[in-house]
Amino acid sequence: NAGVTQTPKFRILKIGQSMTLQCAQDMNHNYMYWYRQDPGMGLKLIYYSVGAGITDKGEVPNGYNVSRSTTEDFPLRLELAAPSQTSVYFCASALGVAGVSDTQYFGPGTRLTVL
Amino acid sequence: KNEVEQSPQNLTAQEGEFITINCSYSVGISALHWLQQHPGGGIVSLFMLSSGKKKHGRLIATINIQEKHSSLHITASHPRDSAVYICAVRVMNYGGATNKLIFGTGTLLAVQP
Repeated sequence: NAGVTQTPKFRILKIGQSMTLQCAQDMNHNYMYWYRQDPGMGLKLIYYSVGAGITDKGEVPNGYNVSRSTTEDFPLRLELAAPSQTSVYFCASALGVAGVSDTQYFGPGTRLTVL
Repeated sequence: KNEVEQSPQNLTAQEGEFITINCSYSVGISALHWLQQHPGGGIVSLFMLSSGKKKHGRLIATINIQEKHSSLHITASHPRDSAVYICAVRVMNYGGATNKLIFGTGTLLAVQP
């Protein structure tokens, strides 16, 4: 199993550009998450999904959009990139058994810089 | 005040030392996670616990639900243990466990040979 994969590893965007961060998992996990990690701060939840077709906002959703058309994929879309979105983005997945708090598996991260 | 506080923020130890990293939280939780972030950035889950104590190799994690406190211990530390250790809690609300994890800012550990 490849686990959780993310592409690209690095990206530099200009203000106002858009892009999609890709995330895929091959563990048949129901739950998937997008986090951002800023220097000196804890990870913050952007969006999450409990299954195909179901997504919900986390703590810091503004400026981002997600979709979950398949169990495997959970892309994160930035429509109008802003310098405040410079961060490291992590995707994670979990099996997601109802009522059970289970282990999250993280992707390697995408380092995004908006200039 | 952050809902999840870790201490210390930075820790330097000599190889072989016993290390303790602390995590305190102020919200109701269903579980607490300890994660390790390597210098290259990858994040690995070490433990998930809701009560008592868990051990894996040289790592031990404990939690005291009444005191809202958890500790991560590393015995016989080694330079390869150098990493950022992150505490995260899964929030519990009136509906039960949520999908929301709140993360601490991490403890940067450097183990010198």
